[in-house]
Amino acid sequence: AQSVAQPEDQVNVAEGNPLTVKCTYSVSGNPYLFWYVQYPNRGLQFLLKYITGDNLVKGSYGFEAEFNKSQTSFHLKKPSALVSDSALYFCAVRDASGSARQLTFGSGTQLTVLP
Amino acid sequence: EPEVTQTPSHQVTQMGQEVILRCVPISNHLYFYWYRQILGQKVEFLVSFYNNEISEKSEIFDDQFSVERPDGSNFTLKIRSTKLEDSAMYFCASRDGLAGVGELFFGEGSRLTVL
Repeated sequence: AQSVAQPEDQVNVAEGNPLTVKCTYSVSGNPYLFWYVQYPNRGLQFLLKYITGDNLVKGSYGFEAEFNKSQTSFHLKKPSALVSDSALYFCAVRDASGSARQLTFGSGTQLTVLP
Repeated sequence: EPEVTQTPSHQVTQMGQEVILRCVPISNHLYFYWYRQILGQKVEFLVSFYNNEISEKSEIFDDQFSVERPDGSNFTLKIRSTKLEDSAMYFCASRDGLAGVGELFFGEGSRLTVL
């Protein structure tokens, strides 16, 4: 079985400060990991993914995430937050060696960037 | 940029009525999904569809639910007899066939309200 945990329901950060949104995962094989963002009353937009290779992956809007196999984590980061980054962020995983073709999503973290 | 489109954007129905939600996936994609999200919370997997058949389904996807790809472009979700707890935002998604590494592209969602 594959699962994702986002331990923080809410993250608040001041504009211009670095932000981190945490994600840990559980799979039996190797993970494919994804971050999505959802703005109010909108669908989920893809931000970035880790498949293999460099543990630090860069994505849209200046976001990046670091894959840490020993800690089974894939935290989302941005060096300098913008008010427009305020949204709901979802981490997702698929087991690369499993038969599952669907993504399993975490419960989401509401990011609020304060001006 | 190609996108997943969903109709209707909002549907209100009476309990016990049948509902059909429609999706047009991205044209060269091979895998199709339905997810739902209740009250802006966790994104829950319902079903995946590949090669004209269901490849996976969750416990939520019981006999009241069905999916169909009737004409090679549309992908529909039917709820045969809606219940109050079916009220949610339903998202369609699709991805290409790149060995499981491709990200899912989501539509903007169909909000279902069951009265």
